Amino acid sequence: AQSVSQHNHHVILSEAASLELGCNYSYGGTVNLFWYVQYPGQHLQLLLKYFSGDPLVKGIKGFEAEFIKSKFSFNLRKPSVQWSDTAEYFCAVNNAGNMLTFGGGTRLMVKP
Amino acid sequence: SAVISQKPSRDICQRGTSLTIQCQVDSQVTMMFWYRQQPGQSLTLIATANQGSEATYESGFVIDKFPISRPNLTFSTLTVSNMSPEDSSIYLCSVEGGFSKTPYEQYFGPGTRLTVT
Repeated sequence: AQSVSQHNHHVILSEAASLELGCNYSYGGTVNLFWYVQYPGQHLQLLLKYFSGDPLVKGIKGFEAEFIKSKFSFNLRKPSVQWSDTAEYFCAVNNAGNMLTFGGGTRLMVKP
Repeated sequence: SAVISQKPSRDICQRGTSLTIQCQVDSQVTMMFWYRQQPGQSLTLIATANQGSEATYESGFVIDKFPISRPNLTFSTLTVSNMSPEDSSIYLCSVEGGFSKTPYEQYFGPGTRLTVT
């Protein structure tokens, strides 16, 4: 069975700091990769996705993620975080079927 | 994207009772799913709600405990039966296909926060 690991459970940054959240998965075949975000009091939203093509994908709000197949990784990055980025971030993997497997989530707090 | 709503948004229930959660989408979708998010944990897929047939359950989840209906392409229900405090979680509906032309891309409802006392 596939699994998804997010290395950081809690991250605290100051505004304007750079962000990188790690995500590794275990499945060896073709995968579709997602990052979801859940802002306080809001529902889960799709931040960005990778299916094929350019391994560097750009999402909403200045986020990007890079798929490195050899490392089974799909890390999320943002050059300069804002207070409004405070949220919980979930990495998810789908192995070309319908089942979406989620990582444990990373709670990001951005201090103003 | 489509609007996905869930009812109730939250509830407090006594152990031994059952609660039915509704998920409504404002456009037809191919796939509907039910997830559970236990306190402080990530999302776990309970089952895929199949239109016109029995739901497909993931390991650890059974129909007697979590009966699911999907009478059409815009609506599904999840019942949490004979509840215990361990069932206290957020239950989320998600959808795929239909309004989203991209396969495997799921969109989530706002969730139902259930507390069992």
